[in-house]
Amino acid sequence: IAGITQAPTSQILAAGRRMTLRCTQDMRHNAMYWYRQDLGLGLRLIHYSNTAGTTGKGEVPDGYSVSRANTDDFPLTLASAVPSQTSVYFCASSREAGPNTGELFFGEGSRLTVL
Amino acid sequence: GQNIDQPTEMTATEGAIVQINCTYQTSGFNGLFWYQQHAGEAPTFLSYNVLDGLEEKGRFSSFLSRSKGYSYLLLKELQMKDSASYLCAVRDPHRDYKLSFGAGTTVTVRA
Repeated sequence: IAGITQAPTSQILAAGRRMTLRCTQDMRHNAMYWYRQDLGLGLRLIHYSNTAGTTGKGEVPDGYSVSRANTDDFPLTLASAVPSQTSVYFCASSREAGPNTGELFFGEGSRLTVL
Repeated sequence: GQNIDQPTEMTATEGAIVQINCTYQTSGFNGLFWYQQHAGEAPTFLSYNVLDGLEEKGRFSSFLSRSKGYSYLLLKELQMKDSASYLCAVRDPHRDYKLSFGAGTTVTVRA
């Protein structure tokens, strides 16, 4: 049972570099999400996708972009990384979006350090 | 903005009961979730409340009072494996039904 797979697990990146975090789910869930988790701040929503072909901005979207070309994949791109983007990034999915959004299923996280 | 408050840390003894409170002031409300997150791992779903009252699931129970903007998670018969962070999250219809999370409560269970 795979669920949600994220890659890489961990990465150290120089400031100014471009980075894509990959996320793939095999549950055929409609909705997918990217959160970042920082000490004392909890999980904050970066971007989301209610269904394939659509995306939306969360609480902290600046400096990040996403795409949802198909149901399974939801990559997160940092166009030009900055040290404040050092964080643990979690990809998640749910069967549905909207008022029927049930529990979220999370990947194992990607720890990103920007120097 | 969203305001979801939980205590930062709690410590309890194995076999005891711990209650983790969560208060929220959000633009809208359409359900409250509790997640468990062990150190270095992904959050996993524990419970969901949308109506007032108590939901029981084995050793874990969750309570909601919508009029007070208040929930708690009750962990009974604590075990060492319950040492983890517990995250409160509110589903908000004014934010496209997306979950807003509190900062989490780290529970340490001592022998």
